[in-house]
Amino acid sequence: GESVGLHLPTLSVQEGDNSIINCAYSNSASDYFIWYKQESGKGPQFIIDIRSNMDKRQGQRVTVLLNKTVKHLSLQIAATQPGDSAVYFCAEIRYAGGTSYGKLTFGQGTILTVHP
Amino acid sequence: DTGVSQDPRHKITKRGQNVTFRCDPISEHNRLYWYRQTLGQGPEFLTYFQNEAQLEKSRLLSDRFSAERPKGSFSTLEIQRTEQGDSAMYLCASSSGAGNQPQHFGDGTRLSIL
Repeated sequence: GESVGLHLPTLSVQEGDNSIINCAYSNSASDYFIWYKQESGKGPQFIIDIRSNMDKRQGQRVTVLLNKTVKHLSLQIAATQPGDSAVYFCAEIRYAGGTSYGKLTFGQGTILTVHP
Repeated sequence: DTGVSQDPRHKITKRGQNVTFRCDPISEHNRLYWYRQTLGQGPEFLTYFQNEAQLEKSRLLSDRFSAERPKGSFSTLEIQRTEQGDSAMYLCASSSGAGNQPQHFGDGTRLSIL
């Protein structure tokens, strides 16, 4: 079946360290991927996206890497701060020409805890 | 605030009652989505509108659920004859219609069924 999942459910890091959150996807037709951050009691917050014709994209303190060969996605957070503590989800969208009409399929999530 | 707005933030009701939630998307966004999220899980797709047209509904959306977006702006999600299993966070998201664009979420309505 189709699924987007995460290798590690929890990740604890020290403030200032770099964090890497991983995600595996199984649908080779996926052409668009998004990372979201969700804090307690709030909705998912967009962090960064990447299209399947790219293998790397950088934002402010964040980098997303896409390896289509092994269907793997990762989110790197540089100089992690306590405010980065949250649940992180990867999500995929299949080709717009299919029946998904852009609906997101989410993984289970990784809990990131940053210790001061 | 120009983000996605949802109302109410919390709803507690007895089993069997009807509830209605409202979502106001980002004003220039023509796509609107509803998702449901239970504790410890990622959001699950429920339904999608492009302007006022409801283009897709998940199998999760039983006959007790109905969603509307009458003027292509705000949307409502109604659950009739609520059941214990309906307890969840109901999230709304919106995006612009130009190809694949990030969906921006509201902070959701948390529904608790007594």
